[in-house]
Amino acid sequence: QITLKESGPTLVKPTQTLTLTCTFSGFSLSADGFNVAWIRQPPGKALEWLALISWDDDKHYSPSLKNRLTITKDTSKSQVVLTMTNIDPVDTATYYCARGLDDDSFDVWGQGTMVAVSA
Amino acid sequence: QSVLTQPPSASGTPGQRVTISCSGNTSNIGSNTVHWYQQFPGTAPKVFIYSNNKRPSGVPDRFSGSKSGTSASLAISGLQSEDEADYFCATWDGNLNGPVFGGGTKLTVL
Repeated sequence: QITLKESGPTLVKPTQTLTLTCTFSGFSLSADGFNVAWIRQPPGKALEWLALISWDDDKHYSPSLKNRLTITKDTSKSQVVLTMTNIDPVDTATYYCARGLDDDSFDVWGQGTMVAVSA
Repeated sequence: QSVLTQPPSASGTPGQRVTISCSGNTSNIGSNTVHWYQQFPGTAPKVFIYSNNKRPSGVPDRFSGSKSGTSASLAISGLQSEDEADYFCATWDGNLNGPVFGGGTKLTVL
């Protein structure tokens, strides 16, 4: 069974750095063809892709957030970590990690973690 | 503002056929396959159609996807109350070098 689960703080203060961890099981990020992406969704709004890391450590970032994001993977722990600097209230959202396939679809998603940004 | 354009809402009565459109450009839909995700309130999205017109196991054949040029469509025939959800289209964008999503369409079964 393939699962992904997000973890991290639920409340962050403006200007702080947000660190989110995606812990997955049922597949390996060292295998050809898979990637893990972070996608967020502000309350009542659309999905927004943030970053993606491939099995070969290739990394892609949303151009609009590229300067604030870092994505890394720890294959031995089956984890992908996303850090976002200089957090702002507009970053309040549910953050999802998802497994990506070669066709660029995301076939399995985590349950999501809600992050609120407030002083 | 989302890169892919979807109508914010769609509706139909039980048994009807409903289509949801998704419009992009040559760098995204025009060059790559389109996927559709279904999302119920408070839950994570779930892939419903992938690679333009393929259905994951468990998705009824009442759902179908198509793509032509820089647009794609999700069609739902024999509409049922349990189809009421948000639907998002997505694809890869070669200019942005990453996946892009539509703004989502809220489907209401009247």
